[in-house]
Amino acid sequence: EIVLTQSPGTLSLSPGERATLSCGASQSVRSSYLAWYQQKPGQAPRLLIYGASRRAPGIPDRFSGSGSGTDFTLTISRLEPEDFAVFYCQQYGSSPPTFGQGTRLEIK
Amino acid sequence: QVQLVQSGAEVKKPGSSVRVSCKASGGTFSSYTISWLRQAPGQGLEWMGGIIPMFGIPNYAQKFQARVTITADKSTNTAYMDLSSLRFEDTAVYYCARDMAAAGPGWFDPWGQGTLVTVSS
Repeated sequence: EIVLTQSPGTLSLSPGERATLSCGASQSVRSSYLAWYQQKPGQAPRLLIYGASRRAPGIPDRFSGSGSGTDFTLTISRLEPEDFAVFYCQQYGSSPPTFGQGTRLEIK
Repeated sequence: QVQLVQSGAEVKKPGSSVRVSCKASGGTFSSYTISWLRQAPGQGLEWMGGIIPMFGIPNYAQKFQARVTITADKSTNTAYMDLSSLRFEDTAVYYCARDMAAAGPGWFDPWGQGTLVTVSS
């Protein structure tokens, strides 16, 4: 199965700053079948991005995804207070679908 | 707008079984895949398996194949996940989610609210 490694483990930034989160795959992800989720404490994950770069309905355009092959990035252009959470990447190019271990985005 | 509502928290003894339900509203239940995932305390997310209610044929992750059974009742728009031979390490929040791929695992949206299963003696 494909192992996803997210970096950094924790990212400390201030509102208004730009956040860059990385997701590396142990082998190439077919057709850029990669998604990103945001999870706040006590809540279920929320889909942000699928197909590496397609925003889910209702997701603000400050969230963007990029990458292909084994290297993917989630960028939040200008952090809002409600953006601070844990973010997970997930590949669905091969079965079983697998998730990264998460990046915690915390307020500096 | 698809919504998924799960059953409530459970406390189980080691060696016993648990059933978690996931009731769907909105959309056409039979035609999309429902997957089950879990998240142990402070840990990441793990896919357990899924089912397309229209066909009733489940697909399981190898890790859970021997202990998990996923079913769906089209008449009540409800999916079920049964996990047997519970161990302490099965303590987790269990989620159902709609799998957006037409065939094979895809991305997940939306998710149920989660069901905490605690395995304790």
